[in-house]
Order: sequence, then structure tokens, then C-alpha cells
Amino acid sequence: DAGVIQSPRHEVTEMGQEVTLRCKPISGHNSLFWYRQTMMRGLELLIYFNNNVPIDDSGMPEDRFSAKMPNASFSTLKIQPSEPRDSAVYFCASTLLQGWTEAFFGQGTRLTVV
Amino acid sequence: DQQVKQNSPSLSVQEGRISILNCDYTNSMFDYFLWYKKYPAEGPTFLISISSIKDKNEDGRFTVFLNKSAKHLSLHIVPSQPGDSAVYFCAAMIYNQGGKLIFGQGTELSVKP
Repeated sequence: DAGVIQSPRHEVTEMGQEVTLRCKPISGHNSLFWYRQTMMRGLELLIYFNNNVPIDDSGMPEDRFSAKMPNASFSTLKIQPSEPRDSAVYFCASTLLQGWTEAFFGQGTRLTVV
Repeated sequence: DQQVKQNSPSLSVQEGRISILNCDYTNSMFDYFLWYKKYPAEGPTFLISISSIKDKNEDGRFTVFLNKSAKHLSLHIVPSQPGDSAVYFCAAMIYNQGGKLIFGQGTELSVKP
């Protein structure tokens, strides 16, 4: 398996623009997580899905952030409108809900909002 | 509120010596703990874990210790190698909450030859 695949790897956008980050989890995994890495808070959980259903979005910082998982093999994290303080590395991770094993992370998307 | 805290942003050790990375947590409901390792421009990768029913778990050069009464865990690397230089994240979870991992801020370990 290719692991968790995120795209794009890097994104530079202007303030006010819409940004969409994409994630393909490991095939067969039924839990998916979006994290944001910052210096101050480390890896901050934004939202997670079980069986494509959002379970906890309490980490989503503002209404400008939204996430979807239309099927078991794809998820998006959207920021609209983007702001400079959203600049960070965003990670997607997946795991098995039953018989839990460790979460596997993608390589991340480095977002820069100028 | 930060439920998992790593108070040392960085640590530097000499090759061959012991590296000790520390982590504190506040939520007594956490019952499973993990350490992840992260190299630049890569995603975090799982290193070692421990259940709350244990106080020690060992895997080669890596040992994790858990002190539930103090809500503290530590990762020991012996002997440290230059390839161990990375950011180490401590994470905690409640096992039946669908894999929801809460991470600390990370500690950057530098192992000098």
C-alpha cells in the first residue's frame, strides 16, 4: 500500500482565497484524522471521521474551516477565506477503528497564506 | 487547554549516551500512550506505545515508562544514535474513542557524533 496520500505537498495562496487540501487514506482504514502542526501547539487535532461520518470537529478553529469525507477513500479540508495565520503544515492520518493499531500519517501539506 | 504537554522544546545529547524525553498529561481518562517520531518534510511515524495497565514497554533501544499517579511518561533511547535526531511527539488516547490521538508540542532531539 502507498500509505496515506496528501495533495498538494505545498500550497501558496493569497489571503482571502479558498484553499482545499486533499487526503486519500490507506485502503481498508475506517478512521481518518486531520491535524495541524504549529510550533505553539504541536500536532493539533482538527476533526476526525469514523466510517465517513464526522465524529468530533471541536478542534476546527473557525467556521472558515470545513471538512468532508464523501467516501471511504477521500477527504478534503477546506479553508475559505484563508488568512495568514492559517499558515502551517496540515496532516491527514488514518487507522482501523476496530482492533485499533497506530495511526498512519501522510507527508503533510505545507500551506502558506500571504 | 493542552491535555498533553512536552515542556522541553529541544534536547541535545552525545552519540552513545541516553536520551530521555518527557511528557505530562492532565486527563486521567487517557489509557493508551504513544510516541511518534518525525523527520523534516515527512509525516510522523509510530515508534512505541504503552497501555495504562503497564508501567514499562521496551522495543530494542527504545523504552517507554509510564507513571500514572504522576500523569507522566518518558521515552528512553539507549544508546542514542545520530539517526535518532528528529522531533518526538508524545500522544495519548482513550482507547474506545475511535483512535483519537491528542498530541503534545514535540521535542526536537539532536544527537551529536
